Amino acid sequence: GENVGLHLPTLSVQEGDNSIINCAYSNSASDYFIWYKQESGKGPQFIIDIRSNMDKRQGQRVTVLLNKTVKHLSLQIAATQPGDSAVYFCAESVDPGGGADGLTFGKGTHLIIQP
Amino acid sequence: DAGITQSPRYKITETGRQVTLMCHQTWSHSYMFWYRQDLGHGLRLIYYSAAADITDKGEVPDGYVVSRSKTENFPLTLESATRSQTSVYFCASSESRSGSEAFFGQGTRLTVV
Repeated sequence: GENVGLHLPTLSVQEGDNSIINCAYSNSASDYFIWYKQESGKGPQFIIDIRSNMDKRQGQRVTVLLNKTVKHLSLQIAATQPGDSAVYFCAESVDPGGGADGLTFGKGTHLIIQP
Repeated sequence: DAGITQSPRYKITETGRQVTLMCHQTWSHSYMFWYRQDLGHGLRLIYYSAAADITDKGEVPDGYVVSRSKTENFPLTLESATRSQTSVYFCASSESRSGSEAFFGQGTRLTVV
């Protein structure tokens, strides 16, 4: 079936470096993409989202890029800090007017920040 | 404080027993969701609710029952727990039907022995 998946289960970067977390999706009807951060023992926390009519969106130290041609989503984190260590999930959602409710999550990438 | 809270945080139950996981939100969000999180599967939607007395199945609803008599509460009941229902359960609320910008609770770790 259609799903959202991640290329790398674990990503290790040096503190201060930039990190890029990738995500592939297969549902061409998806209209909305979200990145969540989950720290150990906590629930997912919203980071940033992007609609399918955009290809880039920036937040504080984070940028999400969307390539609809190849169905690829990425999360860039600038100048990583120890507090960025977490599991990052991409999630997709179909346009509310179109059907499915709730989010479809990818399996997650564990980002490890090394001092 | 405003937020979304789940209880209990940890629960061990025996196979065949009924167990209810509680979820309470103070934002008056219309939509509430239950997800389970398992290694290798990420988060999967069990049930969701668009408003009080309106609920619908998600991706993996079998073995679960929900109710929403009040907007702020969305309990999830395992009618006869099985070992395959050992998981971490997350409740979320959102103003959006799509679940975007959903706020998640801290999770309930359920072990069925």
